Amino acid sequence: NAGVTQTPKFQVLKTGQSMTLQCAQDMNHEYMSWYRQDPGMGLRLIHYSVGAGITDQGEVPNGYNVSRSTTEDFPLRLLSAAPSQTSVYFCASSTSYRDREGGYTFGSGTRLTVV
Amino acid sequence: AQKITQTQPGMFVQEKEAVTLDCTYDTSDPSYGLFWYKQPSSGEMIFLIYQGSYDQQNATEGRYSLNFQKARKSANLVISASQLGDSAMYFCAMREGRTGNQFYFGTGTSLTVIP
Repeated sequence: NAGVTQTPKFQVLKTGQSMTLQCAQDMNHEYMSWYRQDPGMGLRLIHYSVGAGITDQGEVPNGYNVSRSTTEDFPLRLLSAAPSQTSVYFCASSTSYRDREGGYTFGSGTRLTVV
Repeated sequence: AQKITQTQPGMFVQEKEAVTLDCTYDTSDPSYGLFWYKQPSSGEMIFLIYQGSYDQQNATEGRYSLNFQKARKSANLVISASQLGDSAMYFCAMREGRTGNQFYFGTGTSLTVIP
């Protein structure tokens, strides 16, 4: 099925460990982004990309890295996990970053717990 | 200043009744898009409805309509004939046309439909 695929769905990390959350889309979307969702705070943008080779920081980028080597993939790397990074992470993509009608297609989310 | 404000953390509605979820936004960009997303307890984000800043008519999608009051910068979601399956979190979001690089999300409204 076409869409945004996120893996894993659940993950438990120990403080200080690193890991990569995977995100892939097969809709040839230019724009991809990562959000974290915390109770009472809505969705906050971590990083985004407007095309292969181009990434930029969002509202809460500290502790996370991204890269966009292909149109399809946009992995999110946690460098040294901290309990404050316990959250639900969503990857989302859309057709064009300059098209105001471009709604997001979201992945199913990754529930991350850092202990 | 918050770009998107949702002032109703929780709402209750009787089944088959209509309900309005409030959303106000803040932007100086004359070109923008407004979106509503639904997040059921299963966690996925589902696109509901879109309104463009230049659209003359309020958007409608089935039982969903968007009450767009541009001068007041409000974009309230109206759900008619509520169903039990409408119980979920609802997020209002905005994408500005100037850059279009970011979606701004509100903190959400939790809707519970009472049988």
